[in-house]
Parts: sequence; C-alpha cells; structure tokens
Amino acid sequence: QVQLVESGGGVVQPGRSLRLSCAASGFTFTSFAMHWVRQPPGKGLQWVAIISGDGRVAYYADSVKGRFTISRDNSKNTVFLQMNSLKTEDTAVYYCAKDAAGYGSFDFWGQGALVTVSS
Amino acid sequence: EIVLTQSPGTLSLSPGERVTLSCRASQSVSSTFLAWYQQKPGQAPRLLIYGASSRATGIPDRFSGSGSGTDFTLTISGLEPEDFAVYYCQQYGSSPMYSFGQGTKLEIK
Repeated sequence: QVQLVESGGGVVQPGRSLRLSCAASGFTFTSFAMHWVRQPPGKGLQWVAIISGDGRVAYYADSVKGRFTISRDNSKNTVFLQMNSLKTEDTAVYYCAKDAAGYGSFDFWGQGALVTVSS
Repeated sequence: EIVLTQSPGTLSLSPGERVTLSCRASQSVSSTFLAWYQQKPGQAPRLLIYGASSRATGIPDRFSGSGSGTDFTLTISGLEPEDFAVYYCQQYGSSPMYSFGQGTKLEIK
C-alpha cells in the first residue's frame, strides 16, 4: 500500500532555513510527480510545489517562489522541500502528496509535518 | 486567477440526511481536473472524487460528484456519523496551477 512519511518539521526563527523530507513506498516512485501542500493552523489547504517524476521540472506557488526548492532522490524514493528565508506566514502543517496522474489531483497524502516560524 | 468558492461554510445536519455541497469557480474549469477531499480533525485530507465524478479507491457509493464549467457539487446520500468533517474542492489547470476552495464543514445537528 502507498505510504508517505514526512519528517524534518520543527520550530525555526524568521529568516532561517528548514528542510522537509518525505519517504515514499508502495508505488513506482519515478512514475509519479510529487507535491507539497500546506495548511496553516485552523485554515484551508494551499498548494506549494510540484516536481516531475524524473526530477527535471518543478513549479511553485507564487507565495514561495524564490524561497522554497522542491527536489527528489529517486534512488531513495524521497522528496524534499528546502525552505529558506522563512516567514511567520509559512507556519503550517506541510503534507507531501502523490500526484494522481492525468487528473491534477492528489491521491495519497502523508500525515504531515508541522513547521512553526517564530522568534 | 481561478478562485473556488464553496458554500455553505458550515452545515448542521443529522445522520441519515442527504446533503449537497457546492463549489463554484470564477472561471471555467475542466471537469477532468476537479476533485473533492474530506478532512477530519488532526488527519490528512483524503481524496474522495476526481475528474468531477469518479470515486477514488475505497470511497463508498453514497458519495457522488457532478458538474461542469463553473459549477460543481458533491452529494452525500445518507450521512453516516463518520462523514462529519470538512470538505474541500480543488482544481488544476490555471493560475494558480492548483487551488482549493475554502472548505465546507459538516457538523452534527
């Protein structure tokens, strides 16, 4: 069965950096794009970034463009989110999600990693 | 920019009732790229419906989706206690590349 397990969340000061990881299993990892989606406390869902199956193409939400970088290591079935120049408004639970190929949706989600940006 | 507006914000209903949730887009959305999710407190979202009307694996047939263009609906025919949650619609295709509605909360009356 598909499993996505995030790690790397925590408390960080504004302006600092943090890297999230998402270990995937149960499917052919290289065949699917992967996403990061976040949810600020008590609020709705916000798409953050997508990376193609081969890792060559990535797109970002305007709110994180230039600060966040999505990458993947297909030898380890892991996707990453490098978050730099963090702002208080980046505080959220970050979910990694598997792309539902051909439908533009997210068919499996991890349990989430909480990132708190606070001084 | 496509904005998805869900209505109502909160619904108070009893188990067994039928409910229809609305998702309206500010511009036309391809039906192929419209999805619905359920989220319970403290849990990750779960895909219910993709392609506007196809149920995801393991989703009971009391959940159904329909619509096209700018108006989409999620219907639950006969609420079960475990269906009380927040529901989000989501689109892919236009700026922003992926976006969600603000959610509709189903609460027990």
